[in-house]
Amino acid sequence: GDSVTQMEGPVTLSEEACLTINCTYTATGYPSLFWYVQYPGEGLQLLLKATKADDKGSNKGFEATYRKETTSFHLEKGSVQVSDSAVYFCALSDSTGTYKYIFGTGTRLKVLA
Amino acid sequence: DGGITQSPKYLFRKEGQNVTLSCEQNLNHDAMYWYRQDPGQGLRLIYYSQIVNDFQKGDIAEGYSVSREKKESFPLTVTSAQKNPTAFYLCASSMWRNNEQFFGPGTRLTVL
Repeated sequence: GDSVTQMEGPVTLSEEACLTINCTYTATGYPSLFWYVQYPGEGLQLLLKATKADDKGSNKGFEATYRKETTSFHLEKGSVQVSDSAVYFCALSDSTGTYKYIFGTGTRLKVLA
Repeated sequence: DGGITQSPKYLFRKEGQNVTLSCEQNLNHDAMYWYRQDPGQGLRLIYYSQIVNDFQKGDIAEGYSVSREKKESFPLTVTSAQKNPTAFYLCASSMWRNNEQFFGPGTRLTVL
């Protein structure tokens, strides 16, 4: 079945450092791909998405490109802030038409001032 | 403001008791979902509903039940048959055939 693999955390960075969180997927069809962010004690917020190959999703300085050839959707940001500290989840929508999500295990990011 | 509300935010119950978690949305979304989140793990799908009066089991439905009598509401009951119910529960909704899901703030259930 479809699956999502995310790099394990925690990731600890200094403020203004570059961020990359790796995400790869397996899917039999053509899923949409998502990055969600979760702040402590809260629900998930959609950060960005891409619905087809070579699409680039971007929001709040974060971006990710849907790479079909490498089945990847890595999250990047050029300069992180303390306020970016959170857990980041990569997800894909089920490619069989049910629109269910499959989530990665999440990557905790801690940014130090 | 449109959104998804879950109540209560924290819930404590004794072992062996059934408990119902509330989820309401005013986004006019067709589909609603329940997920369970455990520490260090991703979200796992419990149940989902595409339309009123219809719902489907997700990956971990055992020990849970749901109903969908109204478009806006999708309550989840954690029954005494659920072996390890202590977890963070998240409700989500989406327009059907638009696969972007919107999440509520979650309910943290602790069974003592």
